[in-house]
Amino acid sequence: AQSVAQPEDQVNVAEGNPLTVKCTYSVSGNPYLFWYVQYPNRGLQFLLKYITGDNLVKGSYGFEAEFNKSQTSFHLKKPSALVSDSALYFCAVRDIQAGTALIFGKGTTLSVSS
Amino acid sequence: GAVVSQHPSRVICKSGTSVKIECRSLDFQATTMFWYRQFPKQSLMLMATSNEGSKATYEQGVEKDKFLINHASLTLSTLTVTSAHPEDSSFYICSARGGGGAGTDTQYFGPGTRLTVL
Repeated sequence: AQSVAQPEDQVNVAEGNPLTVKCTYSVSGNPYLFWYVQYPNRGLQFLLKYITGDNLVKGSYGFEAEFNKSQTSFHLKKPSALVSDSALYFCAVRDIQAGTALIFGKGTTLSVSS
Repeated sequence: GAVVSQHPSRVICKSGTSVKIECRSLDFQATTMFWYRQFPKQSLMLMATSNEGSKATYEQGVEKDKFLINHASLTLSTLTVTSAHPEDSSFYICSARGGGGAGTDTQYFGPGTRLTVL
């Protein structure tokens, strides 16, 4: 069975500081990994994904994530946070072989203060 | 990225009525569509997966007779909440995944529909 863990309900950072939102996953095979962002009462916007290749993936709005197979992690990072980055962030996984729907973590609220 | 639309964005209905929500992929052909439900401050829970032209596959605990899903074409899926009750009030989000090219691996999401049953 697939699962995703986002250990932090909330992450607070000051504007201009680096941010990290943590994600670990569990799949039986090889994973497809994704990050999405959700603003209040809106759907999910795709940020980035890891399918294969370079472990460091760059995505939208300056975000990046690093796939670490040994630690089964896919943490989301940004070198310098903006107040407008404040939102709910979801990590998601799909087993390549299973071809199933994305399974989501519980979400992490990012709050960037000015 | 690919665009998925959802209509209506918000609906309020009386208990016992049925509500239909449409989900469209605007610039790609969605061979597979998904319906999720999200409760306040919680994650997305997968309700069902549908492939164009075939019956939807429902997740455990989701009543298929209550949540009717039709994936009639490669760009349209509908979710009908039949005989809605207050406990069905939620945020429903559709998602689409293409059958080839850039859309194959990525699920794109609609903006969601806020259903309130009085």
